[in-house]
Amino acid sequence: AQSVTQLDSQVPVFEEAPVELRCNYSSSVSVYLFWYVQYPNQGLQLLLKYLSGSTLVKGINGFEAEFNKSQTSFHLRKPSVHISDTAEYFCAAAAQGGSEKLVFGKGTKLTVNP
Amino acid sequence: EAQVTQNPRYLITVTGKKLTVTCSQNMNHEYMSWYRQDPGLGLRQIYYSMNVEVTDKGDVPEGYKVSRKEKRNFPLILESPSPNQTSLYFCASSFVTNNSPLHFGNGTRLTVT
Repeated sequence: AQSVTQLDSQVPVFEEAPVELRCNYSSSVSVYLFWYVQYPNQGLQLLLKYLSGSTLVKGINGFEAEFNKSQTSFHLRKPSVHISDTAEYFCAAAAQGGSEKLVFGKGTKLTVNP
Repeated sequence: EAQVTQNPRYLITVTGKKLTVTCSQNMNHEYMSWYRQDPGLGLRQIYYSMNVEVTDKGDVPEGYKVSRKEKRNFPLILESPSPNQTSLYFCASSFVTNNSPLHFGNGTRLTVT
């Protein structure tokens, strides 16, 4: 079974600063990796996903993530954040070829201050 | 528009009064799932369904029931709600393959007094 650890529960940053939200996973098999974003009073929506191929994945709203197999990480980055990026971000993993669905991390609340 | 629709968005009830939260998707997804979200605990899976008439327990199924009589609908039933079921609930759906991302509803905030 997989597990996903998001190392920071809260990340405060100033507007236009860069941000990195950290995610590590544990699995005995290869995994698919996802980042979801939850804006206030809304459901989760897909930000980006890594299925195979290039380890640098670009998503919506200028976010990107890099899959690092040796470090079992999938950190999310944005070079310059906006106030509107304030949200909770969830990392998730699913075993390739398995029947189990996504395992979620506990989430990281990103607060962008003016 | 492709979407997962949950109703109601907000619900306040009393201990022991049976309730149902509905969930419907229009994307012909085989897989549907219910989660609850609590502060500090993230998302925890309650029940899921791989297809019509096939349901399985997730991580926290106690006190909940589900049914999957039609592909598009996956209601969550609390037959005797208790205060510890006060939470934010999400329904989600996807195609059954593991590389298919989940589509989420907008959530149901339930308060049990």
